[in-house]
Amino acid sequence: AQSVAQPEDQVNVAEGNPLTVKCTYSVSGNPYLFWYVQYPNRGLQFLLKYITGDNLVKGSYGFEAEFNKSQTSFHLKKPSALVSDSALYFCAVREEELTGGGNKLTFGTGTQLKVEL
Amino acid sequence: DAGVIQSPRHEVTEMGQEVTLRCKPISGHDYLFWYRQTMMRGLELLIYFNNNVPIDDSGMPEDRFSAKMPNASFSTLKIQPSEPRDSAVYFCASSNHRAGGGETQYFGPGTRLLVL
Repeated sequence: AQSVAQPEDQVNVAEGNPLTVKCTYSVSGNPYLFWYVQYPNRGLQFLLKYITGDNLVKGSYGFEAEFNKSQTSFHLKKPSALVSDSALYFCAVREEELTGGGNKLTFGTGTQLKVEL
Repeated sequence: DAGVIQSPRHEVTEMGQEVTLRCKPISGHDYLFWYRQTMMRGLELLIYFNNNVPIDDSGMPEDRFSAKMPNASFSTLKIQPSEPRDSAVYFCASSNHRAGGGETQYFGPGTRLLVL
C-alpha cells in the first residue's frame, strides 16, 4: 500500500525568507511523487513531480523539491517566499506501474502555507 | 486547451433531491477521476475511469452515489437522494497514461455542493 504524510498542518514564513513544506512517503516499489497547490475556491494545480533522474526537481513559480530515497522524503522548497504563495499544498505519491492497471494517486492531508509581510 | 471543465460550479439543493455533477476532461486524456474534498476527510478518490470504463469505485461512499462516462468527453457523478453530509467540493481530474505511470492529473475547478 502507498501512503504519504505531511506532518505540518500549517507553515508560517516571512516574505523573502526560504520556505520548506515537508512530505514523507511509503511505497513498496519505486515512487512517483507530486506536489499540487490549491488557492482558495480553486482546483488543485500541478506544481512539479519526480519520476526518475535528478533528485532536485524544479517546477512552477520558482518552487523546487528534493527527492531523498534514504529518508523517503520529497520536501517542497522555495528560496524566497512571496505573500502570493500563501495557499494549501498537497503532496501525492503513487507506485511505479510495473504490471499495468491501477492509477491511483494517494494525497497527503495538505499543509497550509501562510506568507506574511 | 481549456482544461478540465466542471459544471455547475455551485449547487445548493435540499435533502432528498437528486444532484448531477458534470465533467469534461481534457481532450485526448484516457483517465478520469472523481474526488471529494471536505474539511474533515480531506481529499478522497471516489471513482476513476480508463477509456470510459470504471476501474475502481471503492471510494464511492454508498449506493446513493453513481458515476457514468458515456463517452471520452463527458462524465457525470450523481447523488440520489442527496443528504446534508454530502456537502463538499467535488473535483474531476483527467490524465493521459504513459508507460510505467507517472502521468500528471489535471484538476477541474470543482463543484461546491451544499445540501440543506
